[in-house]
Amino acid sequence: SYELTQPPSVSVSPGQTVTITCSGHELGDRFASWYQQKAGQSPVLVIYRDYMRPSGIPERFSGSNSENTATLTISGTQAMDEADYYCQTWDNFHVFFGGGTKLTVL
Amino acid sequence: QVQLLQSGAEVKKPGASVKVSCKASGYTFTDYNLHWVRQAPGRGLEWMDSINPHSGVSGSAQKFQGRVTLTRDTSTNTVFMELTSLTSDDTAVYFCARMSGRSTTAGLDVWGQGTTVTVSS
Repeated sequence: SYELTQPPSVSVSPGQTVTITCSGHELGDRFASWYQQKAGQSPVLVIYRDYMRPSGIPERFSGSNSENTATLTISGTQAMDEADYYCQTWDNFHVFFGGGTKLTVL
Repeated sequence: QVQLLQSGAEVKKPGASVKVSCKASGYTFTDYNLHWVRQAPGRGLEWMDSINPHSGVSGSAQKFQGRVTLTRDTSTNTVFMELTSLTSDDTAVYFCARMSGRSTTAGLDVWGQGTTVTVSS
């Protein structure tokens, strides 16, 4: 088993930059992905392989992963970015998710 | 376009089993592993199991071992998830999702629309 810890909630003003953290033992030695989930919808992959953006994901989404913490950064946050965000990693090809962070754009 | 289409909502009694399907289209079915993730009401994402559609080999989370079975039908590009001995704790939305690559650099890049399973007496 492998545990990932995220803050339950984060808030940001429109146009500002926000970071969401994900902590796990030596997480930097693994690859991290991030998912955005809006209310009533399926999750969407926004970052994989620590910092890679799938096609169609805006450049304002970026990621990093080092030591024990992976970080999702949203620059110039927009109202449409309000959602739950989940980090994810792998252990022997089993998937582990963080508990999720609710991003509120005030 | 690449798509995963899941079967419709289910209502089951405690102790029963449920079987949810996930039909893939728009890509080569056997080239990508498929995963199952569930989300209880108001809760986070919980990984259950995955299957290699080419080999049929699956590997579940310890929590679900002995209770979840994944199968596939390569003639219809469909994966099936069966969960047995249902309790109210299994009430959740169940998602299938495609793994975008063969290594752990991948993410789950395509998701089904979700299937609501309600367990109630």
